[in-house]
Amino acid sequence: DAGVTQSPTHLIKTRGQQVTLRCSPKSGHDTVSWYQQALGQGPQFIFQYYEEEERQRGNFPDRFSGHQFPNYSSELNVNALLLGDSALYLCASSPLHTSGRARRPLYNEQFFGPGTRLTVL
Amino acid sequence: AQTVTQSQPEMSVQEAETVTLSCTYDTSESDYYLFWYKQPPSRQMILVIRQEAYKQQNATENRFSVNFQKAAKSFSLKISDSQLGDAAMYFCAYRSTSFGNEKLTFGTGTRLTIIP
Repeated sequence: DAGVTQSPTHLIKTRGQQVTLRCSPKSGHDTVSWYQQALGQGPQFIFQYYEEEERQRGNFPDRFSGHQFPNYSSELNVNALLLGDSALYLCASSPLHTSGRARRPLYNEQFFGPGTRLTVL
Repeated sequence: AQTVTQSQPEMSVQEAETVTLSCTYDTSESDYYLFWYKQPPSRQMILVIRQEAYKQQNATENRFSVNFQKAAKSFSLKISDSQLGDAAMYFCAYRSTSFGNEKLTFGTGTRLTIIP
């Protein structure tokens, strides 16, 4: 059973360019979250996708956009790259548990991929 | 907004000894999850242990255990019988239990070195 996979592993871009990062979720997972991890920092939540729609978004500018495909894989796009966008970009997948009649949704673990290291020159 | 603070940028411990990593957090919610994640040089974030705020009993996973102090908003990780493979960055993280709010909020991490 393949875990979460991300491509490419490393990427070098120049300021002003656009980049697309890709993520394939773990088998059986339908929700994908993206995080940015700057050097020496903890990951910061960018957004989450479910059923091909953005479900939740963190405090990131509109230059950061995403997409989810019918097979649940996802892309993260960043336009007009800045030097400060240099970071490790992590993808995490999870199964979505609906709350249903339960007051408290079931716990659903997020499994992380190995990340894409983006360097902006 | 929730915040997570790790005040120990680096820690070191002798192999086979015990080490405790500290974490504090701030939230207005009464029900939430707390986690410790490990990030080795391979970069992949691995879940070490999870605590549910409504449970008073501290979580344990083999050599890993937590000290959860809800009133103090403190959540420390104890690693017993430290092994060379425990060397990594350790991140404390918070997550709401609210449906639709599943983002993880991480601290800045603690780099753990194991001394042979």
